Amino acid sequence: AQKITQTQPGMFVQEKEAVTLDCTYDTSDQSYGLFWYKQPSSGEMIFLIYQGSYDEQNATEGRYSLNFQKARKSANLVISASQLGDSAMYFCAMREGNSDYKLSFGAGTTVTVRA
Amino acid sequence: DTAVSQTPKYLVTQMGNDKSIKCEQNLGHDTMYWYKQDSKKFLKIMFSYNNKELIINETVPNRFSPKSPDKAHLNLHINSLELGDSAVYFCASSPRGGQRYSGANVLTFGAGSRLTVL
Repeated sequence: AQKITQTQPGMFVQEKEAVTLDCTYDTSDQSYGLFWYKQPSSGEMIFLIYQGSYDEQNATEGRYSLNFQKARKSANLVISASQLGDSAMYFCAMREGNSDYKLSFGAGTTVTVRA
Repeated sequence: DTAVSQTPKYLVTQMGNDKSIKCEQNLGHDTMYWYKQDSKKFLKIMFSYNNKELIINETVPNRFSPKSPDKAHLNLHINSLELGDSAVYFCASSPRGGQRYSGANVLTFGAGSRLTVL
Protein backbone atom coordinates (compact mmCIF):
# COMPACT_ATOMS: atom_id res chain seq x y z
CA ALA A 1 0.00 0.00 0.00
CA GLN A 2 1.16 3.50 -0.80
CA LYS A 3 2.50 5.17 2.31
CA ILE A 4 2.75 8.67 0.87
CA THR A 5 0.13 10.12 -1.46
CA GLN A 6 0.56 13.27 -3.46
CA THR A 7 -2.62 13.77 -5.47
CA GLN A 8 -1.55 16.77 -7.54
CA PRO A 9 0.64 15.71 -10.45
CA GLY A 10 1.13 19.29 -11.62
CA MET A 11 0.31 22.83 -10.56
CA PHE A 12 0.69 26.32 -11.95
CA VAL A 13 1.17 29.33 -9.71
CA GLN A 14 1.64 32.99 -10.43
CA GLU A 15 4.87 34.59 -9.33
CA LYS A 16 4.63 36.12 -5.82
CA GLU A 17 1.59 34.06 -4.92
CA ALA A 18 1.49 31.24 -2.40
CA VAL A 19 0.99 27.60 -3.36
CA THR A 20 0.02 24.58 -1.26
CA LEU A 21 1.20 21.11 -2.17
CA ASP A 22 -0.81 18.27 -0.69
CA CYS A 23 0.65 15.25 1.02
CA THR A 24 -1.13 12.55 2.99
CA TYR A 25 0.57 9.65 4.66
CA ASP A 26 -0.26 6.30 6.13
CA THR A 27 1.47 4.85 9.16
CA SER A 28 0.54 3.09 12.37
CA ASP A 29 3.70 4.28 14.12
CA GLN A 30 3.49 6.99 16.76
CA SER A 31 6.97 8.23 15.98
CA TYR A 32 7.67 9.26 12.41
CA GLY A 33 9.15 12.08 10.40
CA LEU A 34 7.92 13.91 7.34
CA PHE A 35 10.17 15.56 4.79
CA TRP A 36 9.84 17.64 1.69
CA TYR A 37 12.42 17.64 -1.07
CA LYS A 38 12.70 19.76 -4.19
CA GLN A 39 14.00 18.42 -7.50
CA PRO A 40 14.64 21.15 -10.08
CA SER A 41 15.07 20.31 -13.75
CA SER A 42 18.82 19.93 -13.16
CA GLY A 43 17.97 16.76 -11.25
CA GLU A 44 19.45 17.13 -7.79
CA MET A 45 17.38 16.45 -4.67
CA ILE A 46 17.30 19.37 -2.25
CA PHE A 47 16.01 19.03 1.31
CA LEU A 48 13.49 21.73 2.20
CA ILE A 49 11.78 21.07 5.50
CA TYR A 50 11.21 18.46 8.21
CA GLN A 51 8.33 17.81 10.64
CA GLY A 52 8.54 15.29 13.44
CA SER A 53 5.38 13.55 14.58
CA TYR A 54 5.82 14.85 18.11
CA ASP A 55 6.54 18.42 17.08
CA GLU A 56 3.73 20.59 18.35
CA GLN A 57 4.42 23.51 16.08
CA ASN A 58 4.34 23.50 12.30
CA ALA A 59 7.82 23.60 10.80
CA THR A 60 8.93 26.68 8.91
CA GLU A 61 12.07 27.34 6.87
CA GLY A 62 12.13 30.71 5.19
CA ARG A 63 9.38 30.77 2.55
CA TYR A 64 8.52 27.12 3.22
CA SER A 65 6.10 26.04 5.89
CA LEU A 66 4.58 22.69 6.62
CA ASN A 67 0.89 22.51 7.51
CA PHE A 68 0.89 19.43 9.73
CA GLN A 69 -2.52 17.98 10.59
CA LYS A 70 -1.77 14.84 12.51
CA ALA A 71 -5.34 13.61 12.91
CA ARG A 72 -5.87 13.89 9.17
CA LYS A 73 -2.42 12.44 8.46
CA SER A 74 -1.55 15.29 6.19
CA ALA A 75 1.65 17.31 5.82
CA ASN A 76 1.06 19.93 3.18
CA LEU A 77 3.88 22.15 2.00
CA VAL A 78 3.16 25.85 1.62
CA ILE A 79 5.49 27.95 -0.49
CA SER A 80 4.88 31.64 0.03
CA ALA A 81 5.77 34.42 -2.41
CA SER A 82 6.58 32.02 -5.24
CA GLN A 83 9.62 32.75 -7.37
CA LEU A 84 10.49 31.54 -10.84
CA GLY A 85 13.25 29.43 -9.28
CA ASP A 86 10.62 27.49 -7.36
CA SER A 87 9.61 25.73 -10.57
CA ALA A 88 10.51 22.13 -9.83
CA MET A 89 9.18 18.78 -8.76
CA TYR A 90 8.40 18.48 -5.04
CA PHE A 91 8.45 15.23 -3.15
CA CYS A 92 6.92 14.43 0.20
CA ALA A 93 8.62 11.63 2.13
CA MET A 94 8.17 9.78 5.40
CA ARG A 95 10.49 8.01 7.79
CA GLU A 96 8.56 5.61 9.97
CA GLY A 97 9.53 4.96 13.56
CA ASN A 98 10.95 1.54 12.91
CA SER A 99 12.78 2.52 9.74
CA ASP A 100 15.47 4.95 10.70
CA TYR A 101 17.23 4.09 7.51
CA LYS A 102 14.46 4.40 4.95
CA LEU A 103 12.49 7.25 3.47
CA SER A 104 9.39 6.39 1.50
CA PHE A 105 8.62 8.97 -1.18
CA GLY A 106 5.41 10.13 -2.78
CA ALA A 107 4.99 10.39 -6.54
CA GLY A 108 5.82 14.08 -6.57
CA THR A 109 4.09 17.28 -7.68
CA THR A 110 5.43 19.44 -10.48
CA VAL A 111 5.15 23.15 -9.78
CA THR A 112 5.46 25.69 -12.57
CA VAL A 113 5.73 29.33 -11.56
CA ARG A 114 4.48 31.79 -14.15
CA ALA A 115 5.83 35.33 -14.46
CA ASP B 1 33.43 20.78 -1.77
CA THR B 2 30.69 18.42 -2.87
CA ALA B 3 29.08 16.67 0.09
CA VAL B 4 27.89 13.54 -1.74
CA SER B 5 29.54 12.91 -5.06
CA GLN B 6 28.64 10.24 -7.58
CA THR B 7 30.44 9.17 -10.71
CA PRO B 8 29.72 8.93 -13.52
CA LYS B 9 26.90 11.42 -14.00
CA TYR B 10 25.86 9.80 -17.27
CA LEU B 11 26.27 6.22 -18.37
CA VAL B 12 25.13 4.80 -21.70
CA THR B 13 25.70 1.12 -22.27
CA GLN B 14 24.44 -1.95 -24.09
CA MET B 15 22.20 -4.65 -22.67
CA GLY B 16 24.16 -7.42 -21.05
CA ASN B 17 27.09 -5.25 -19.99
CA ASP B 18 28.30 -4.76 -16.43
CA LYS B 19 28.72 -1.28 -15.00
CA SER B 20 29.53 0.43 -11.70
CA ILE B 21 28.56 3.71 -10.10
CA LYS B 22 30.70 5.13 -7.34
CA CYS B 23 29.63 7.29 -4.43
CA GLU B 24 31.58 9.14 -1.80
CA GLN B 25 30.45 11.41 1.03
CA ASN B 26 32.60 13.81 3.03
CA LEU B 27 29.98 14.64 5.65
CA GLY B 28 31.12 12.11 8.22
CA HIS B 29 27.74 10.38 8.01
CA ASP B 30 27.25 6.83 9.23
CA THR B 31 24.59 5.73 6.77
CA MET B 32 24.53 5.62 2.99
CA TYR B 33 21.84 4.69 0.51
CA TRP B 34 21.09 3.92 -3.09
CA TYR B 35 17.78 5.09 -4.51
CA LYS B 36 16.41 4.48 -7.99
CA GLN B 37 14.29 7.07 -9.77
CA ASP B 38 12.37 5.62 -12.68
CA SER B 39 11.07 7.32 -15.82
CA LYS B 40 7.95 8.43 -13.94
CA LYS B 41 10.15 10.13 -11.34
CA PHE B 42 9.20 7.66 -8.65
CA LEU B 43 11.96 7.28 -6.05
CA LYS B 44 12.46 3.96 -4.38
CA ILE B 45 15.12 2.81 -1.97
CA MET B 46 17.33 -0.02 -3.09
CA PHE B 47 19.95 -0.42 -0.39
CA SER B 48 21.08 1.13 2.84
CA TYR B 49 24.40 0.65 4.60
CA ASN B 50 25.21 1.69 8.13
CA ASN B 51 28.90 1.76 9.01
CA LYS B 52 29.64 -0.63 6.12
CA GLU B 53 26.90 -3.04 7.20
CA LEU B 54 23.99 -3.78 4.86
CA ILE B 55 20.79 -2.69 6.60
CA ILE B 56 18.22 -2.58 3.82
CA ASN B 57 17.95 -4.62 0.65
CA GLU B 58 14.61 -3.87 -0.92
CA THR B 59 14.09 -7.00 -3.03
CA VAL B 60 16.47 -5.74 -5.64
CA PRO B 61 17.59 -8.34 -8.22
CA ASN B 62 20.89 -9.88 -7.27
CA ARG B 63 22.38 -8.47 -10.45
CA PHE B 64 22.74 -5.35 -8.31
CA SER B 65 25.54 -5.59 -5.78
CA PRO B 66 26.39 -2.74 -3.46
CA LYS B 67 29.79 -2.53 -1.83
CA SER B 68 30.84 -0.30 1.03
CA PRO B 69 34.61 -0.42 1.58
CA ASP B 70 34.31 2.17 4.34
CA LYS B 71 31.56 4.35 5.71
CA ALA B 72 32.41 7.20 3.35
CA HIS B 73 31.97 5.11 0.20
CA LEU B 74 29.13 3.10 -1.28
CA ASN B 75 29.47 1.72 -4.78
CA LEU B 76 26.85 0.03 -6.92
CA HIS B 77 27.77 -2.66 -9.40
CA ILE B 78 25.20 -3.90 -11.89
CA ASN B 79 25.71 -7.11 -13.85
CA SER B 80 23.99 -8.14 -17.08
CA LEU B 81 22.23 -4.84 -17.58
CA GLU B 82 18.64 -4.91 -18.82
CA LEU B 83 16.53 -2.26 -20.54
CA GLY B 84 14.47 -1.85 -17.37
CA ASP B 85 17.55 -0.80 -15.44
CA SER B 86 17.51 2.53 -17.26
CA ALA B 87 16.92 5.10 -14.55
CA VAL B 88 18.58 7.75 -12.45
CA TYR B 89 20.42 6.28 -9.49
CA PHE B 90 20.86 8.49 -6.47
CA CYS B 91 23.33 7.98 -3.70
CA ALA B 92 22.52 9.59 -0.37
CA SER B 93 23.87 9.74 3.15
CA SER B 94 22.49 10.61 6.58
CA PRO B 95 24.01 11.12 10.02
CA ARG B 96 22.38 8.37 12.00
CA GLY B 97 23.65 4.92 12.56
CA GLY B 98 23.01 2.22 15.06
CA GLN B 99 20.47 3.46 17.52
CA ARG B 100 16.95 4.59 16.75
CA TYR B 101 16.49 8.29 16.60
CA SER B 102 13.41 10.42 16.44
CA GLY B 103 15.12 13.40 14.91
CA ALA B 104 15.33 14.57 11.37
CA ASN B 105 18.16 12.36 10.12
CA VAL B 106 18.02 14.29 6.86
CA LEU B 107 19.24 12.51 3.76
CA THR B 108 21.72 14.45 1.65
CA PHE B 109 21.60 13.31 -1.96
CA GLY B 110 24.20 13.18 -4.65
CA ALA B 111 23.49 14.71 -8.06
CA GLY B 112 22.36 11.39 -9.52
CA SER B 113 23.75 9.07 -12.19
CA ARG B 114 21.62 8.66 -15.29
CA LEU B 115 21.96 5.14 -16.66
CA THR B 116 20.68 4.41 -20.15
CA VAL B 117 20.66 0.82 -21.34
CA LEU B 118 20.31 0.36 -25.10
